[in-house]
Amino acid sequence: DAKTTQPTSMDCAEGRAANLPCNHSTISGNEYVYWYRQIHSQGPQYIIHGLKNNETNEMASLIITEDRKSSTLILPHATLRDTAVYYCIVRGSTDSWGKLQFGAGTQVVVTP
Amino acid sequence: NAGVMQNPRHLVRRRGQEARLRCSPMKGHSHVYWYRQLPEEGLKFMVYLQKENIIDESGMPKERFSAEFPKEGPSILRIQQVVRGDSAAYFCASSPGTADQKLFFGSGTQLSVL
Repeated sequence: DAKTTQPTSMDCAEGRAANLPCNHSTISGNEYVYWYRQIHSQGPQYIIHGLKNNETNEMASLIITEDRKSSTLILPHATLRDTAVYYCIVRGSTDSWGKLQFGAGTQVVVTP
Repeated sequence: NAGVMQNPRHLVRRRGQEARLRCSPMKGHSHVYWYRQLPEEGLKFMVYLQKENIIDESGMPKERFSAEFPKEGPSILRIQQVVRGDSAAYFCASSPGTADQKLFFGSGTQLSVL
């Protein structure tokens, strides 16, 4: 199964865009990239997912490189409530639905 | 539409007792997943259930742990003869099916074993 690499932590100023990188150089052609976040003491929250094309929803945008070896999650206007651990996950093609392998993620701190 | 409901929110047990964690999926969701988060560690998949069936239990410890999702009622994660190493946050998630790839997580049950 493809593994992901994310920076341990990053800071972002409130109101600015937060760009969270993720490397997944061993991803297979039919494996999706998922992003979840976990605010302290809460359950994870789904943000967005994609396969090849860039995706956008009300929370964020997901930019996947053409070779699919990396992706970037963009929070367009970070707020203090976006402070959380952000997980980039590649679901294994042989894994059952809902079996997600969470890594250590990126601790994002949004500052005033 | 209520989200995934887990109870209790906090559960304290003494070593050797049994712990029963309950999870009610979102309305219309028939797939339930249990995850465990040990202190200072990431979330680990435990088990995936559909109504009355265990689909994938590859993350479940071989002993003392069991899960069910009966035709009626919530999903139950049962831990027998708890030990201190079972202290963790247990999260349940649900989804309507495999076509929708989003998981909706509950707020978790924090199990503390004394």
